[in-house]
Amino acid sequence: QTVVTQEPAFSVSPGGTVTLTCGLNSGSVSTSYYPTWYQQTPGQAPRTLIYNTDSRSSGVPDRFSGSILGDTAALTITGAQADDESDYYCALYVGSGLWVFGGGTKLTVL
Amino acid sequence: QVQLQESGPGLVKPSETLSLTCTVSGGSISTYYWSWIRQPPGQGLEWLGNSHYSGSTNYNPSLKSRVTMSVDTSKNQFSLNLSSVTAADTAVYYCARFFSYYYHGVDVWGQGTTVTVSS
Repeated sequence: QTVVTQEPAFSVSPGGTVTLTCGLNSGSVSTSYYPTWYQQTPGQAPRTLIYNTDSRSSGVPDRFSGSILGDTAALTITGAQADDESDYYCALYVGSGLWVFGGGTKLTVL
Repeated sequence: QVQLQESGPGLVKPSETLSLTCTVSGGSISTYYWSWIRQPPGQGLEWLGNSHYSGSTNYNPSLKSRVTMSVDTSKNQFSLNLSSVTAADTAVYYCARFFSYYYHGVDVWGQGTTVTVSS
């Protein structure tokens, strides 16, 4: 069974930089998994931030960036703002038409 | 600007079938893949599957025996049926549209609808 792993929680100071990661229990994440990143605030639907590893969705500020970092996909927030405090989910394409979400990272800005 | 709106019963009895519909406005349902994603209370997102107007579908293997998805081009709607539900199927259910390139994931989300499984 494919399991996508994310840090359960992370904190960042306002104006700081934070990198969240997205891994696989079965090996390395590469661009072939087409990593995507979604942001969700409590009570709201998710919002698409990053697709295809490093492409920003329409309207997403450039302080959000995606990459491959070692064996994981990564979402970096540069110059964190208070309203970046959210849950962040990654999803990977695992083949045969199938997608798997990670468990999400709760980001606190304080 | 495409918008998605989920509809269906908010309460379903155990062992019955959960049926939801997503209405697409502001764009055609043809060409794209359409998805259902759910989120149990206090938990993360779970991809349930996708359907395409051509009839092609992909389902989460953990639910494959219980889930059916389809697209109705005449109504610009797509649907989810989940059979033999239990309390574990209680969740917010989101309908979503994938990017025109399937491997790019979701680009448009519905607002979500809460479904509770209880007698």
